Amino acid sequence: GAVVSQHPSRVICKSGTSVKIECRSLDFQATTMFWYRQFPKQSLMLMATSNEGSKATYEQGVEKDKFLINHASLTLSTLTVTSAHPEDSSFYICSAKGLYNEKLFFGSGTQLSVL
Amino acid sequence: SQQGEEDPQALSIQEGENATMNCSYKTSINNLQWYRQNSGRGLVHLILIRSNEREKHSGRLRVTLDTSKKSSSLLITASRAADTASYFCATDAILGSGNTGKLIFGQGTTLQVKP
Repeated sequence: GAVVSQHPSRVICKSGTSVKIECRSLDFQATTMFWYRQFPKQSLMLMATSNEGSKATYEQGVEKDKFLINHASLTLSTLTVTSAHPEDSSFYICSAKGLYNEKLFFGSGTQLSVL
Repeated sequence: SQQGEEDPQALSIQEGENATMNCSYKTSINNLQWYRQNSGRGLVHLILIRSNEREKHSGRLRVTLDTSKKSSSLLITASRAADTASYFCATDAILGSGNTGKLIFGQGTTLQVKP
């Protein structure tokens, strides 16, 4: 099956710093990537949808200036949490799909802890 | 906003028993998918059932879909300790002007299979 690589798997940072998370599709071209946030023992909350070469579409209530998403190529999307605060601590998961594929391939997630 | 509701929230069974999880959703859909998540990891696609299908099998998995009731069930037969994980249904909601292209996840069922 298709492989999506997400890095880093875990990051601890100080409040006020910015953190970048990378999501790469290794063996297919990801025309669309999705970023989710997950709190402990809860479901995935869709944050934004990004299509290669265009601006990301954010879900209601998600601050686009806070969570910067870049999808500059068909194999790479990045999520930057700017000026992180403790309330941003969460598990962030990316997923990707190709043009004709209905199912999602997920990265392994990034556990962000903001001190 | 979350689309799916799943029940039970948690299920504990003995190895060898069958596990049934249910999912309900709110909008029209093109397909419904089931995913599995091991603790602290990304999600893995299990099975996809289209809106014009009523039942689908894949190995020990059996999925049903009732579009009139907007519900689906996932049955895992002859469960194994390795099946212990969280299971999520996801739908590609058709809203307003058409297919959104994004998956909305249910709340999930945490399955524990005791050896």
